[in-house]
Amino acid sequence: DAKTTQPPSMDCAEGRAANLPCNHSTISGNEYVYWYRQIHSQGPQYIIHGLKNNETNEMASLIITEDRKSSTLILPHATLRDTAVYYCIVRFPNAGNNRKLIWGLGTSLAV
Amino acid sequence: KAGVTQTPRYLIKTRGQQVTLSCSPISGHRSVSWYQQTPGQGLQFLFEYFSETQRNKGNFPGRFSGRQFSNSRSEMNVSTLELGDSALYLCASLQGDTGELFFGEGSRLTVL
Repeated sequence: DAKTTQPPSMDCAEGRAANLPCNHSTISGNEYVYWYRQIHSQGPQYIIHGLKNNETNEMASLIITEDRKSSTLILPHATLRDTAVYYCIVRFPNAGNNRKLIWGLGTSLAV
Repeated sequence: KAGVTQTPRYLIKTRGQQVTLSCSPISGHRSVSWYQQTPGQGLQFLFEYFSETQRNKGNFPGRFSGRQFSNSRSEMNVSTLELGDSALYLCASLQGDTGELFFGEGSRLTVL
C-alpha cells in the first residue's frame, strides 16, 4: 500500500510560513508526491505535486528530499483561509497502476 | 468547464436498505475514484475506475460496489446498510496528464 505519515495537527501564526512535513518512505519508482487540502467538509482541493525536484506554484512550495522518502509543503505566508486539513499522498499520475491509496487523517493546520 | 457533480448531496437511509450514489466527472476525464470519509477513519479509498474497468480496490467489504459507464459517469452502491456506513462519500475524476484529482462536493449518507 502507498502509505504516508503526517503529524495530526499543527499551528501557525498568520503571516508566517507554515511547513507541513510528510513521510513517504515506501515511495517507489516514479510515484509522484501530491498535496491536497480540505476545508470543512468540502471535497479536497489540489495544491501541488512533484517527483524529484522542488516545485512552486501560486499556492505553495514543495520540497522533496533527495532520497524522496519525505517532503515538506510550505505555505509562505499563511492566512486564516489556509486553516484546513492537508493530505499528502503518493501515486502515479495515470489511473490503474496505483497501489491502494491511503489518505489517512492528514494534518489539521490551524492558522 | 463544469466540475465533478455528485448526486444526491444528502440522503438518509435505514439499516438494511441499499443506496446508489452517482458521480459525473469533468468532461474528458476517463478515470473516476471513490472515497469514504468518516471522522474517525479519515479519507479512505474505495475503488478506481478507468474506461469502465475497475483498476484498483480498497479494503472494503463486498457490500460496496461500483461501476463506470461508457460516458465515464460512475455509480457506487452500498447494500445492506449498516450504521457505520454513515459517512461523506467523495468522488474524484483524474486529469490523466498531471495526475491531479478533482473532487466533487460529496454525498453525505446518514444511516439510521
